[in-house]
Amino acid sequence: DSGVTQTPKHLITATGQRVTLRCSPRSGDLSVYWYQQSLDQGLQFLIQYYNGEERAKGNILERFSAQQFPDLHSELNLSSLELGDSALYFCASSVNPGDETQYFGPGTRLLVL
Amino acid sequence: GENVEQHPSTLSVQEGDSAVIKCTYSDSASNYFPWYKQELGKRPQLIIDIRSNVGEKKDQRIAVTLNKTAKHFSLHITETQPEDSAVYFCAASIITGRRALTFGSGTRLQVQP
Repeated sequence: DSGVTQTPKHLITATGQRVTLRCSPRSGDLSVYWYQQSLDQGLQFLIQYYNGEERAKGNILERFSAQQFPDLHSELNLSSLELGDSALYFCASSVNPGDETQYFGPGTRLLVL
Repeated sequence: GENVEQHPSTLSVQEGDSAVIKCTYSDSASNYFPWYKQELGKRPQLIIDIRSNVGEKKDQRIAVTLNKTAKHFSLHITETQPEDSAVYFCAASIITGRRALTFGSGTRLQVQP
């Protein structure tokens, strides 16, 4: 157990819908990262937050947004969902934004029907 | 941005043999190179990492080597066991930089008993 929690574990929804994925970092970690992993694909970096502020952006679609709250948990919002958005979404955390060691959560498996 | 290429995409070895996975990176500023192991349906877990000021690092049966000049790094697993079967991802980043981990596409390692 890495100490990073993600909810829900599984999510099934329909095209066009909107969902929110939640992540709680390890105690003491200030930085949160979101990754998308499609079937048999690698890990695509989406976005990073540090202490409530956006720190870095990767291949995140405009339909997706995220934020980090004062208690340091983070939410990833996915809207106007498409079939291709079906994937595993991982959250990771680290102490500082430049800290190399990232600890991954168990992931949220999203299925868009 | 950074681009990380990983080879091979699949690797099958007999139990007890060695396995080698190679990655190349494009950004000479990258200075941190972790390796993650991901078992089916589970989170990526850090197994070993190396910084650019070191050429080799070993941890029991696992070792990583780095060639900064050629911009490539490799994972070596000796005396492979069935429980080593998983997908392995390499990654590259800049410590303290505004760039999160860039992952390779992954190598599916199958250790045959």
